[in-house]
Amino acid sequence: GQQLNQSPQSMFIQEGEDVSMNCTSSSIFNTWLWYKQDPGEGPVLLIALYKAGELTSNGRLTAQFGITRKDSFLNISASIPSDVGIYFCVPHRGAGNQFYFGTGTSLTVIP
Amino acid sequence: SQTIHQWPATLVQPVGSPLSLECTVEGTSNPNLYWYRQAAGRGLQLLFYSVGIGQISSEVPQNLSASRPQDRQFILSSKKLLLSDSGFYLCAWNGQGAPGNTIYFGEGSWLTVV
Repeated sequence: GQQLNQSPQSMFIQEGEDVSMNCTSSSIFNTWLWYKQDPGEGPVLLIALYKAGELTSNGRLTAQFGITRKDSFLNISASIPSDVGIYFCVPHRGAGNQFYFGTGTSLTVIP
Repeated sequence: SQTIHQWPATLVQPVGSPLSLECTVEGTSNPNLYWYRQAAGRGLQLLFYSVGIGQISSEVPQNLSASRPQDRQFILSSKKLLLSDSGFYLCAWNGQGAPGNTIYFGEGSWLTVV
């Protein structure tokens, strides 16, 4: 089966700092999705990537689809308290119906 | 626009009691539907998915079952709950109206088995 590693597991940062997290896999994918989950709520889609090398931004968030198609990165610039939550990567092959989530990166922003 | 709702939002049930969580999607037809479980506020484990009425795929053997009696309705059930069934249960959908290969989640249901 596929191996999906998301790191770091958790981050404690000062408000205003930049954040970087990534996911790596042993398999090749056609889509990488990034979700954020606020405490007690369902995950919300942040960014969807569909092409190797693609770099996409959503406000202060930037995500990239790795050239090898086995990894993806999410960066958050100038973090604010509302960035707190768990961030998940979700790779997908573009066919098939299952969506498997990474283990998540728990982000804490200290004001 | 599409919406997804699940209920109840919170549930406290004794060990050995039955369970029924319900999820409905509006604004789309023939969606793929999913049940996930999240324990200890971390990873999401895919439990079941369905591509159509009466079609259920189980990802992990367990004490739970799922049913899809109608196109936009997905139900998670158990005949006898275990302590280990406690967790945060999330319903999700994808398909027509969901751009690209993306899934969208309901609000979640907290289950505590005591």
